[in-house]
Amino acid sequence: GAVVSQHPSWVICKSGTSVKIECRSLDFQATTMFWYRQFPKQSLMLMATSNEGSKATYEQGVEKDKFLINHASLTLSTLTVTSAHPEDSSFYICSARRQGIQETQYFGPGTRLLVL
Amino acid sequence: GEDVEQSLFLSVREGDSSVINCTYTDSSSTYLYWYKQEPGAGLQLLTYIFSNMDMKQDQRLTVLLNKKDKHLSLRIADTQTGDSAIYFCAESISSASKIIFGSGTRLSIRP
Repeated sequence: GAVVSQHPSWVICKSGTSVKIECRSLDFQATTMFWYRQFPKQSLMLMATSNEGSKATYEQGVEKDKFLINHASLTLSTLTVTSAHPEDSSFYICSARRQGIQETQYFGPGTRLLVL
Repeated sequence: GEDVEQSLFLSVREGDSSVINCTYTDSSSTYLYWYKQEPGAGLQLLTYIFSNMDMKQDQRLTVLLNKKDKHLSLRIADTQTGDSAIYFCAESISSASKIIFGSGTRLSIRP
């Protein structure tokens, strides 16, 4: 099946620093990727839709200047958490829609961010 | 607006069937999904059903859809310890659009 990877799987950083998370579709091209966050014992909430070659579409309440999304190629989208604070600590999961396949999205394994 | 609801916990005896229920509000939902998440892991798509279907069966999994009541259920036959996880019900209006997730049902298996 289709594989989506995320890097890093774990990251611990100091408050005020920026963290970049990568989402890659390993064996297919993805014009659209989605970024979700999941707080402990809660559901996934969509943060933004990442479109290759254009600006991301953010959900209401998500700060676009804080969560920078870049989708520079058909296999890579990045999420940068700028000036991270402890309340940004969460599990970030990406998904990728396989181009041309009428099915669903393939999810990455997630990145756990802890901001101290 | 879009909303997906499911109960938070379910406990079943090993070998019994598990039934996880879900309700959704968006009548334009076309795709309805069940995802599994094991501790500390990402999401695994278990199965999905189109809104024009009533039932879908895949080995031990049976999905039932009552579109009139906007009710979706997942039945796991012969539940095993490896089925312990959180199960998320989700919906989207197309394969390209965002997925709205329920809160997840934590399934625990007792001997």
